[in-house]
Amino acid sequence: GDSVTQMEGPVTLSEEAFLTINCTYTATGYPSLFWYVQYPGEGLQLLLKATKADDKGSNKGFEATYRKETTSFHLEKGSVQVSDSAVYFCALQETSGSRLTFGEGTQLTVNP
Amino acid sequence: EAEVAQSPRYKITEKSQAVAFWCDPISGHATLYWYRQILGQGPELLVQFQDESVVDDSQLPKDRFSAERLKGVDSTLKIQPAELGDSAMYLCASSLGPQLYEQYFGPGTRLTVT
Repeated sequence: GDSVTQMEGPVTLSEEAFLTINCTYTATGYPSLFWYVQYPGEGLQLLLKATKADDKGSNKGFEATYRKETTSFHLEKGSVQVSDSAVYFCALQETSGSRLTFGEGTQLTVNP
Repeated sequence: EAEVAQSPRYKITEKSQAVAFWCDPISGHATLYWYRQILGQGPELLVQFQDESVVDDSQLPKDRFSAERLKGVDSTLKIQPAELGDSAMYLCASSLGPQLYEQYFGPGTRLTVT
């Protein structure tokens, strides 16, 4: 079945550091890929998405590129801020359905 | 900005008791989802509604869980009887339609079974 694997966390960075959170997936078809963010006490929010190979999703300084050859969708940001502290989830959605399959999440803490 | 509403936000119950969660999706959203998020894991879909009809409940433990969306608007998820392993965050999400539409998540209900 479909699955998503994220890098083990938690991740702790200093403000303005470079961020990478790794995500790889297993799917039978050609899924859409997503990054969701969950701030403390809030629901999940869509951060960015990509629907086909080589697409780059971007939002709020975050980027991720859909790499079919490596089945990856790594999240990057050039300069993190304290306000980026949250849990980040990678997810996929098969073209044939609506179900989102999530990774286990990565807790990011950014210190001033 | 329209949001998905859920209540209660927190619930503590004893095992073998019944418990229910409520979700009010964004107005006009035909598709509604219930996910379960165990601590330290990603959310997992329990059930999906299209209007008032269930379209995917393959991961719903039907011996103890039930879900309904009688008028195709708000929805209730019930557990009876609750077990210790049901302790988790229960998330509701809604979207304009299935598949290509963005899913908007509510704040969740944190369930603790003692």
